[in-house]
Amino acid sequence: DSGVTQTPKHLITATGQRVTLRCSPRSGDLSVYWYQQSLDQGLQFLIQYYNGEERAKGNILERFSAQQFPDLHSELNLSSLELGDSALYFCASSPPSGGAGEQYFGPGTRLTVT
Amino acid sequence: GDSVTQMEGPVTLSEEAFLTINCTYTATGYPSLFWYVQYPGEGLQLLLKATKADDKGSNKGFEATYRKETTSFHLEKGSVQVSDSAVYFCALSLTSGTYKYIFGTGTRLKVLA
Repeated sequence: DSGVTQTPKHLITATGQRVTLRCSPRSGDLSVYWYQQSLDQGLQFLIQYYNGEERAKGNILERFSAQQFPDLHSELNLSSLELGDSALYFCASSPPSGGAGEQYFGPGTRLTVT
Repeated sequence: GDSVTQMEGPVTLSEEAFLTINCTYTATGYPSLFWYVQYPGEGLQLLLKATKADDKGSNKGFEATYRKETTSFHLEKGSVQVSDSAVYFCALSLTSGTYKYIFGTGTRLKVLA
C-alpha cells in the first residue's frame, strides 16, 4: 500500500459525458501528478500540482482539467469523453523535496467509455 | 529532447535465470534515474533509484548502476522468480529550471516455472 488513494476504482460511462477522478496523496506529500496509461501509448504524464498550484503540464487535452484543493487532494475532470479516453488513470504523489524524487502511485482508476 | 529508451518486451525467462533489462537516456541536465515495477492490476511501485553518476540502486535482489559515460541505467537480477513477472519502467527526473519526469515505455517480464 503506497498511501495514495484513488476513487473510484472503475468507471463506465458514455461518450460525451463528464467524469471526475479523485486522488488523495500520501500524508505529508505536497505534489500530485496525474498519468494516463493506455495500451497503445504507454504511460503519459498529464499534469502536476504542488501545494495547490499547477507546476507542470504534459500531454493533457483541453477537454481535461485538474485542480488541487487546500487539503491537498486532487481531482481530474474529463469532459466530452471519447472512446479513445478509455484508459487507466493514475495519480502519484512525492515528498516535498523539490519534485525530483521518487513518486508513489495510487492503484488507479480504470475508465471505460462506451 | 530528453527521453528514456527501454528494450522492447516481452522478456521471457525461466526461473533462476539472469535478468537484464536495458535502459538508456538522453537528458540535457543531470537527471535522477529510477526503476518502477507494475504488477498486474496494480499501480507502479518504486523499485530502486540513483541520483548521481556511479550510484548503484538496489532492492529485492535487483540492481542498477547510473552510468553517465554510456547514459545507461540497466536493471539486473541474478536469479529471477515467477513472482518477478511484471512490467518494469525506467524513468528519469530533471529539475533544472522546470520539472520534468519521463517514463520509458515499459518492458514486460514473464518468468516461467
